[in-house]
Amino acid sequence: GQNIDQPTEMTATEGAIVQINCTYQTSGFNGLFWYQQHAGEAPTFLSYNVLDGLEEKGRFSSFLSRSKGYSYLLLKELQMKDSASYLCAVTNDYKLSFGAGTTVTVRA
Amino acid sequence: DTGVSQDPRHKITKRGQNVTFRCDPISEHNRLYWYRQTLGQGPEFLTYFQNEAQLEKSRLLSDRFSAERPKGSFSTLEIQRTEQGDSAMYLCASSLKGPGSKSGTQYFGPGTRLLVL
Repeated sequence: GQNIDQPTEMTATEGAIVQINCTYQTSGFNGLFWYQQHAGEAPTFLSYNVLDGLEEKGRFSSFLSRSKGYSYLLLKELQMKDSASYLCAVTNDYKLSFGAGTTVTVRA
Repeated sequence: DTGVSQDPRHKITKRGQNVTFRCDPISEHNRLYWYRQTLGQGPEFLTYFQNEAQLEKSRLLSDRFSAERPKGSFSTLEIQRTEQGDSAMYLCASSLKGPGSKSGTQYFGPGTRLLVL
């Protein structure tokens, strides 16, 4: 089975940096995804990691350590529109196994 | 818009009624997935199609649930004899390829929010 843990909530100030951690224990591994989900909307794809290291895409970066079963999503220069839930998901075959999500609140 | 589309976006029904949802994937994607999401939780996998073949059904998918993808394009998810516990957001996703590369990324539709009274 899959066990994916991430913090429930985080709060940060506009313009700051926030790091959302995700730890996982899975039977098999074929990649880790991060999705952003605004309230009442569908998850939207942010990043994919399958090899160890850092992937950078604009203000968002994602890191993976397979040996530690650990990933983080780094959000820089926070904007009010970044207030959302951030979902960590692991795949080993075809289906995604999601964590419960981390709700990030950006304050002015 | 060439993203994943779902219909209807909202559905309110009475307990015991049957409901059917439709998903149209991104046109060149031959893999299609259904998930269910309840408040405060991440999406949970329900079932997976590769072309018209349904390759896996989660144990979450009881006998009251059935999904089809008759021509390998759109898919339908039917819930018979709905129960209050079926109230959730039903999400459809599609991907170009399987896992192991970025082409395996699943793109989600807007979801169908079901409320069973």
